[in-house]
Amino acid sequence: DAGVTQSPTHLIKTRGQQVTLRCSPKSGHDTVSWYQQALGQGPQFIFQYYEEEERQRGNFPDRFSGHQFPNYSSELNVNALLLGDSALYLCASSWGQGGKAFFGQGTRLTVV
Amino acid sequence: KQEVTQIPAALSVPEGENLVLNCSFTDSAIYNLQWFRQDPGKGLTSLLLIQSSQREQTSGRLNASLDKSSGRSTLYIAASQPGDSATYLCAVRHAYGGSQGNLIFGKGTKLSVKP
Repeated sequence: DAGVTQSPTHLIKTRGQQVTLRCSPKSGHDTVSWYQQALGQGPQFIFQYYEEEERQRGNFPDRFSGHQFPNYSSELNVNALLLGDSALYLCASSWGQGGKAFFGQGTRLTVV
Repeated sequence: KQEVTQIPAALSVPEGENLVLNCSFTDSAIYNLQWFRQDPGKGLTSLLLIQSSQREQTSGRLNASLDKSSGRSTLYIAASQPGDSATYLCAVRHAYGGSQGNLIFGKGTKLSVKP
């Protein structure tokens, strides 16, 4: 049984560009959440998708957007990249919005 | 606003010691609490989940307790091994309304177990 998979694992982008990160949830899970983790900090909640809709959103600007597809996979899009967007981006899936969360290995985004 | 604090920020112990990691949260209205392990540059591995109605959970050498009224949880690791070296993160989910969905994390405790 494959766990949560994220792609790509590493990414380097230039300031002002746009990026798309992808996540496939664990089999049987219907909810996907995205988190941003800066070095030495705990993960910060970006948003959560359930039934293809954004259900909750953390304190992130509109430059951060997402999507959930009918197969429950999800994308995170970030526009107009800033140097401060450099971080590890983590995807978590669960069965239901409050279920036990399983995380992927993350995508390391570096903005130069 | 829920805040999660983990003490200590770093801990170094010799192999074989039993140890306790602490987590405190400011709002006792939680749905559940999870402990995670994170190796450098990697994702999070779920260790234990405690529902708000439970007092503790055990898995192998790990035991997590929850005292919701005092806003505290502890992770007990028995007979520590060098392979336990990692950062341990505590996270809570709210119990009400639309806030049930997101996890709120502490900054973690970086554990080093020396051979």
